[in-house]
Amino acid sequence: EPEVTQTPSHQVTQMGQEVILRCVPISNHLYFYWYRQILGQKVEFLVSFYNNEISEKSEIFDDQFSVERPDGSNFTLKIRSTKLEDSAMYFCASGTTGYEQYFGPGTRLTVT
Amino acid sequence: GIQVEQSPPDLILQEGANSTLRCNFSDSVNNLQWFHQNPWGQLINLFYIPSGTKQNGRLSATTVATERYSLLYISSSQTTDSGVYFCAVDDQAGTALIFGKGTTLSVSS
Repeated sequence: EPEVTQTPSHQVTQMGQEVILRCVPISNHLYFYWYRQILGQKVEFLVSFYNNEISEKSEIFDDQFSVERPDGSNFTLKIRSTKLEDSAMYFCASGTTGYEQYFGPGTRLTVT
Repeated sequence: GIQVEQSPPDLILQEGANSTLRCNFSDSVNNLQWFHQNPWGQLINLFYIPSGTKQNGRLSATTVATERYSLLYISSSQTTDSGVYFCAVDDQAGTALIFGKGTTLSVSS
């Protein structure tokens, strides 16, 4: 069964550094998403991407964040200058219709 | 925006017991999904169920869209069912999923 994959599974970075989190969505999917979950809290929406552009974003998704689909298979989330409060689990998701979403296993980002 | 409330917040069971988890939402939805977050933090899709009833093994779910709630049933619980169960609905303005705070289930042998 096709799955969403994410790399790396765990990333440690220093405050102020740039990080890129990578996702490979399911191949025939058209809608792509990033969510995050700070430890012990609920999952929060960051951004959705469709037809090569951002279709929706939350207040969390400020100028420090960007997304890109650099080729036909990858979907990336970049954080330009990481802060301690960016430490969280980041989930990528994809879907065909804009309804049901399939989640990847997550990347745990630790900012020190 | 839409509100999602899950109950109970915590649930402790003996292996073999049955349980019902509830999700209330404040507006009509096009998407409702149930997830299980395992101890490693992974979100496992359980059901896509904006309306109706579905079953998958020992798990089943029912959504009554007109009354704005969904129920997740776990029968004959096992220790591997432990973790956090999340309900999520779409935000109506788009396709973003809004998650509830979850129900933490602990099953002991």
